[in-house]
Amino acid sequence: ETGVTQSPTHLIKTRGQQVTLRCSSQSGHNTVSWYQQALGQGPQFIFQYYREEENGRGNFPPRFSGLQFPNYSSELNVNALELDDSALYLCASSLVGGAETQYFGPGTRLLVL
Amino acid sequence: RKEVEQDPGPFNVPEGATVAFNCTYSNSASQSFFWYRQDCRKEPKLLMSVYSSGNEDGRFTAQLNRASQYISLLIRDSKLSDSATYLCVVNRGTGNQFYFGTGTSLTVIP
Repeated sequence: ETGVTQSPTHLIKTRGQQVTLRCSSQSGHNTVSWYQQALGQGPQFIFQYYREEENGRGNFPPRFSGLQFPNYSSELNVNALELDDSALYLCASSLVGGAETQYFGPGTRLLVL
Repeated sequence: RKEVEQDPGPFNVPEGATVAFNCTYSNSASQSFFWYRQDCRKEPKLLMSVYSSGNEDGRFTAQLNRASQYISLLIRDSKLSDSATYLCVVNRGTGNQFYFGTGTSLTVIP
C-alpha cells in the first residue's frame, strides 16, 4: 500500500450538482496531483498542488478546482457536474513537485446521472 | 498528436512467454519515463522507472531510445499474475504534468 488515501470510494451525483473529493498524501510527501481516468483511457492530469499552491494544470475547465491544506492533504472540487465527468478520480502524492515518482491512492469512482 | 501513444492490445500470451510493449512520446523535451501497472478497477502502481541506459528488475526490462522517442517494456517468463494493464508515463520536467498512455492490456493464459 502507498499510504495515499481517498474519500469517498464511490459517489453518485446528478447533473448540475457539485462534488468534493478528498485525498491524504503519503507521509512526508508535500505534493499532490489529481487525475481523471475515464473508462478504457489512461489517467488525464487535472492539476498539481505543492505547498498549498497550484503548481501546474492540465486541460480542464475552471469548474475543476482544488485546495491543499497545511498538512498536505488536498481536495478536488467539481462544480456544475456533467455526464462526462463520470470517471475514476485519482490522487497521487510525491516527495516534491516536478518529475518525482508519484504514488496513487485507490481513487474515487464518480457517477453522474 | 497524443503526448504518449501505446498499442492498446489486448495481448493474450501463454504462461512462460516473453512479451514486449512499446510506447512513443511526442515531446523531445520529456525528461522522466515510467511504466505503471494497473489491475482491473484498481489504482496505477509504479512498476519501474526507465533510464537511458536501460534497466532491469527481475523478469522486467525497460529501455529508452531518446533519438526515436520510444520506450519499451519486456516481460520474460510471463506469470498469470502479470495480467494487467501496463501504462507508459512521461514527464516533460516542466509544468509537473505526467502524461499517461491509454495502456496496454495483457492477459497471461494458463
